[in-house]
Amino acid sequence: GAGVSQSPSNKVTEKGKDVELRCDPISGHTALYWYRQSLGQGLEFLIYFQGNSAPDKSGLPSDRFSAERTGGSVSTLTIQRTQQEDSAVYLCASSLDSEKLFFGSGTQLSVL
Amino acid sequence: GQQVMQIPQYQHVQEGEDFTTYCNSSTTLSNIQWYKQRPGGHPVFLIQLVKSGEVKKQKRLTFQFGEAKKNSSLHITATQTTDVGTYFCAGLTSGTYKYIFGTGTRLKVLA
Repeated sequence: GAGVSQSPSNKVTEKGKDVELRCDPISGHTALYWYRQSLGQGLEFLIYFQGNSAPDKSGLPSDRFSAERTGGSVSTLTIQRTQQEDSAVYLCASSLDSEKLFFGSGTQLSVL
Repeated sequence: GQQVMQIPQYQHVQEGEDFTTYCNSSTTLSNIQWYKQRPGGHPVFLIQLVKSGEVKKQKRLTFQFGEAKKNSSLHITATQTTDVGTYFCAGLTSGTYKYIFGTGTRLKVLA
């Protein structure tokens, strides 16, 4: 596609439910990043994928968070047993060999 | 862990005034990038600096990378209402591919 696509754009869930967020990177981009942005705040690094290398998971805030990238393309970020503090915009970005990052429009997650 | 701080957190200027945001890293960086996020939007890449002491210009925007590669600045000359948004720096440490974003500076331009 022309840009990074994220779905859904908005997700409202109840506390304790699991959610899956999807990211379709730009075709051919080898690197994929997930960031979290709380209202009016900066971007918090979550996880990074590069080609077939082991992902850098150092930013995941708890073991309720996990992510995978299938076939070096689409990525899914899963949050289990969601909590209210998980409410934020989840941004995905892709890049060619970790050069400039192209961000998607994000998924606004609201946990009630 | 690595931290990237930006000052100021907020800046309100009159249209036509200059604006500067400063970015400071706790560790030496291999490169630094700058992004702009419009209200309600997502971050958009502006520029990348790699060399110590590097200065780059884009029209009214001037970017600098410090000699020690631990700090950077973005200066906007004669701000316009279209400059409104939050400006983030993002630093990369040698040996990693993890861009750590700064805390951001939110710019408001009063017409």
